[in-house]
Amino acid sequence: KAGVTQTPRYLIKTRGQQVTLSCSPISGHRSVSWYQQTPGQGLQFLFEYFSETQRNKGNFPGRFSGRQFSNSRSEMNVSTLELGDSALYLCASSLGQGLSEQYFGPGTRLTVT
Amino acid sequence: AQTVTQSQPEMSVQEAETVTLSCTYDTSENNYYLFWYKQPPSRQMILVIRQEAYKQQNATENRFSVNFQKAAKSFSLKISDSQLGDTAMYFCAFMKSYSGTYKYIFGTGTRLKVLA
Repeated sequence: KAGVTQTPRYLIKTRGQQVTLSCSPISGHRSVSWYQQTPGQGLQFLFEYFSETQRNKGNFPGRFSGRQFSNSRSEMNVSTLELGDSALYLCASSLGQGLSEQYFGPGTRLTVT
Repeated sequence: AQTVTQSQPEMSVQEAETVTLSCTYDTSENNYYLFWYKQPPSRQMILVIRQEAYKQQNATENRFSVNFQKAAKSFSLKISDSQLGDTAMYFCAFMKSYSGTYKYIFGTGTRLKVLA
């Protein structure tokens, strides 16, 4: 089975712009979670989607949004980028029910200048 | 609210030696799961080992084992016979499943360097 894929792997944006990141989960996985990883902060949970519905949300401003498609692929959007949004954004997929171990993608490195 | 604390930001160990990474957590829940994830310099996070809170027996996966102390809310990872490929960031994570969804909380990580 193919693993979790994320595109693009690297991105450089300017303050004020918006960005869309994509995540394709492992085949058969219906849950996709997004995390922001920064040095010293570890992984901060953004949100989780299951069967096209947002099931869980972390403490991030409304500039961060996401969605999930019928094929379980998910996108994350950040509008009005700020310098502090520079981070590694990780996507994780899981079956989403019961004990659901998460499998992570390689991440998208976003740099905001 | 649940929290996960990894008090060792960085550690190093000689190749072939044993190292223990510590993790403590705070929760009022009784049923939950604990994980250790490894993130090598290439960044792909992979699951190392998991522990169900209702199981008293400590989980073991080859050279990796945990010391789970439920009453003390402690979940340490022991790596035996350390190898250069063990060099990575290690994250402890707490997971609770409830009402059809689940919640993951990660620690801030411990950077482990295995020295030749």
